[in-house]
Amino acid sequence: DADVTQTPRNRITKTGKRIMLECSQTKGHDRMYWYRQDPGLGLRLIYYSFDVKDINKGEISDGYSVSRQAQAKFSLSLESAIPNQTALYFCATSTTGTWGGYTFGSGTRLTVV
Amino acid sequence: AQSVTQLGSHVSVSEGALVLLRCNYSSSVPPYLFWYVQYPNQGLQLLLKYTTGATLVKGINGFEAEFKKSETSFHLTKPSAHMSDAAEYFCAVSEGNQGGKLIFGQGTELSVKP
Repeated sequence: DADVTQTPRNRITKTGKRIMLECSQTKGHDRMYWYRQDPGLGLRLIYYSFDVKDINKGEISDGYSVSRQAQAKFSLSLESAIPNQTALYFCATSTTGTWGGYTFGSGTRLTVV
Repeated sequence: AQSVTQLGSHVSVSEGALVLLRCNYSSSVPPYLFWYVQYPNQGLQLLLKYTTGATLVKGINGFEAEFKKSETSFHLTKPSAHMSDAAEYFCAVSEGNQGGKLIFGQGTELSVKP
């Protein structure tokens, strides 16, 4: 099993629908992140959480919300999807105090029509 | 605020040629720097990182990068490109030195011609 699992892998949804992307990890890491990837823009941070009771906005949080249900689970929600939220979404984890870098999930490709 | 600029959104080299992918950063504190690689339809994989100590760091698949503080650069090189190196490469800088969030560059797509 993958260390960081994202579900679904692909999703097509309609404008105005609410959608949730899920992320779970078996790394035992305390920190979790949601990024979106757009061509030519790299990865941009949406939200991050340094522990279960900690939630922080990233640079592009408008239109998104998150929930840290447990240390191992971090979900991203689009309350009312719009076409410019079509992107590749990545969940990542890291651990406090050491710097091995992030562990990434395989991504969720979301299309809003 | 920290930032990363990758020069060139697309780089094309011939198989066996030198690979050079450029990355410049901005940081008000000593940075931690990273290169990640993304193969098609996959997540990002850590190639190498600089935290402290030796400024020339070696990573996987024959890649290396040199931290140059005076030039605020962290360019990625490989002496001889392989077809399997074709991928997108991302440079990133950490905000803080305790496992803080990463700021990514725009990415450079590397093509390798036979």
